[in-house]
Amino acid sequence: EPEVTQTPSHQVTQMGQEVILRCVPISNHLYFYWYRQILGQKVEFLVSFYNNEISEKSEIFDDQFSVERPDGSNFTLKIRSTKLEDSAMYFCASSWGLAGSNGELFFGEGSRLTVL
Amino acid sequence: AQSVTQPDIHITVSEGASLELRCNYSYGATPYLFWYVQSPGQGLQLLLKYFSGDTLVQGIKGFEAEFKRSQSSFNLRKPSVHWSDAAEYFCAVGAPGGYNKLIFGAGTRLAVHP
Repeated sequence: EPEVTQTPSHQVTQMGQEVILRCVPISNHLYFYWYRQILGQKVEFLVSFYNNEISEKSEIFDDQFSVERPDGSNFTLKIRSTKLEDSAMYFCASSWGLAGSNGELFFGEGSRLTVL
Repeated sequence: AQSVTQPDIHITVSEGASLELRCNYSYGATPYLFWYVQSPGQGLQLLLKYFSGDTLVQGIKGFEAEFKRSQSSFNLRKPSVHWSDAAEYFCAVGAPGGYNKLIFGAGTRLAVHP
């Protein structure tokens, strides 16, 4: 069964460092997403991406964050200068259709980011 | 603004007992509704979804959920819980024809006693 894969599974970084989280969505999907889950809190939407551009982003997704689909298969989330509060589990997801519509989201297993 | 409330943070049931996890949503119209499960160290897996039509929807692993418009609820049920059902369960809402995102509830952690 096709799945969304994420790397790394866990990354530890120093505050102020740049981090890139990588995702390989399901191959025929058109919509890509990043969500995050701070420990003990709810899963929060960060950004959606379609047709090589951001289609929607939350207030969390500030200038420190960026997304890219560099080669038609990978989908990356970059955090330019990490802060302690960026420590969270980051989930990549993809869907064939719109997330809130008939497009079921398929989630990866997450990348745990720990900022020291 | 859309919101999702899961009133129960933790629930413990005995294996074989029935289960109901509560979910209430706030949205101006009928949203699309989802239940996801997250097992320890795993990603989020879709259990079931409601878009329209029959208000009782069947999902995977023997789960079902009922949409009640009058109560703005979408409670998840299972008649007989298995030890492998221990996980965290998230209710989520999507906005038809508009937002390309899901809003999640805070989750309910289910523990199953043998």
